[in-house]
Amino acid sequence: GAVVSQHPSWVICKSGTSVKIECRSLDFQATTMFWYRQFPKQSLMLMATSNEGSKATYEQGVEKDKFLINHASLTLSTLTVTSAHPEDSSFYICSARVGTTDTQYFGPGTRLTVL
Amino acid sequence: EDQVTQSPEALRLQEGESSSLNCSYTVSGLRGLFWYRQDPGKGPEFLFTLYSAGEEKEKERLKATLTKKESFLHITAPKPEDSATYLCAAPGATGYALNFGKGTSLLVTP
Repeated sequence: GAVVSQHPSWVICKSGTSVKIECRSLDFQATTMFWYRQFPKQSLMLMATSNEGSKATYEQGVEKDKFLINHASLTLSTLTVTSAHPEDSSFYICSARVGTTDTQYFGPGTRLTVL
Repeated sequence: EDQVTQSPEALRLQEGESSSLNCSYTVSGLRGLFWYRQDPGKGPEFLFTLYSAGEEKEKERLKATLTKKESFLHITAPKPEDSATYLCAAPGATGYALNFGKGTSLLVTP
């Protein structure tokens, strides 16, 4: 099956700093990637859709200036949490859409803790 | 409004006790119904995609079926290692983002 990696798997940072999370499709090209966040015992909440070479589309209520998304190549999308605060602490998961299908493969997730 | 609803929220089975998880959906022009398994602290693992009513897919002890309004994930003779949260999802009428149900947390005890 298709493999998606995320780096780092966990990160602890101080309030006010920025954190970058990378999402890579390892064995396929992904024109579309997605970023989700998940709070404990809750389902995945879509934050944004990232299309290679164009601006990301953010879901209602997600601050685009706070969660910067870049999809510069067909195998890499990055999420930067700017000026992180404790309420941004969460589990961030990316997924990549395979070719022209609707099937998405997910990365292993990144646990962000903001102190 | 596109919606995916899963039941039950939690299910506890004894090893070997077969059961089914339900996913009902209201999505116009369904382009696929997806099942994922998620272990604690990990990203969802892809299990199945179903595209049309009557379709069935199997993987080890799991079998997914699809009707015009719902999908079932049947678990036959489960083992403790099948314990996980099972998520059902479908893309909306437009775009490719998946709408997820809240999941069914399955616990299989020895």
